[in-house]
Amino acid sequence: GQQLNQSPQSMFIQEGEDVSMNCTSSSIFNTWLWYKQDPGEGPVLLIALYKAGELTSNGRLTAQFGITRKDSFLNISASIPSDVGIYFCAGETSTNAGKSTFGDGTTLTVKP
Amino acid sequence: SAVISQKPSRDICQRGTSLTIQCQVDSQVTMMFWYRQQPGQSLTLIATANQGSEATYESGFVIDKFPISRPNLTFSTLTVSNMSPEDSSIYLCSVTGTSFSEQYFGPGTRLTVT
Repeated sequence: GQQLNQSPQSMFIQEGEDVSMNCTSSSIFNTWLWYKQDPGEGPVLLIALYKAGELTSNGRLTAQFGITRKDSFLNISASIPSDVGIYFCAGETSTNAGKSTFGDGTTLTVKP
Repeated sequence: SAVISQKPSRDICQRGTSLTIQCQVDSQVTMMFWYRQQPGQSLTLIATANQGSEATYESGFVIDKFPISRPNLTFSTLTVSNMSPEDSSIYLCSVTGTSFSEQYFGPGTRLTVT
């Protein structure tokens, strides 16, 4: 089946720093999604990307759908303590609409 | 986005018993899914809960172990049968929004099997 390689596995940063994480796959995806999971909660959708090359922002978050359709990245600018959590990328193919394949997650720790 | 609740939020169960988890959505939705998240791991899709018909299971998951019901467009249950410690996980239901790709998750049920 499809697999997503998400990196880095974890990040420890200082408040105010920018963060970048990415996801790669050997398969082509038609949709890339980024979620954040807080402790004890379900994942929450941050950004959805539908077109190769698409660059989308949501506040301090920016995500891009790679041109090859095999990768995506998420940037967080000027991190704050509430950015702490696990960030998951997810991809979907046209034949599996609604069934996302999830990456292993990037655990972000922000030091005040 | 839909508001999703799950019951119970957590449980500790004995080996060999079964637990039924409920998922309630505040609006009618077409697609509902059940995921498992093992400790420190990512999310793995168990099955698609189909209204009025049998659930569609992913590779590695079977109906005898994870029976699913979906009697209407706002409610579904997942049963974890004949539990073992390896079943200790967070179980999450999700629904899709107007875009079938964007999923909205419930808060999860944290299951510990002793």
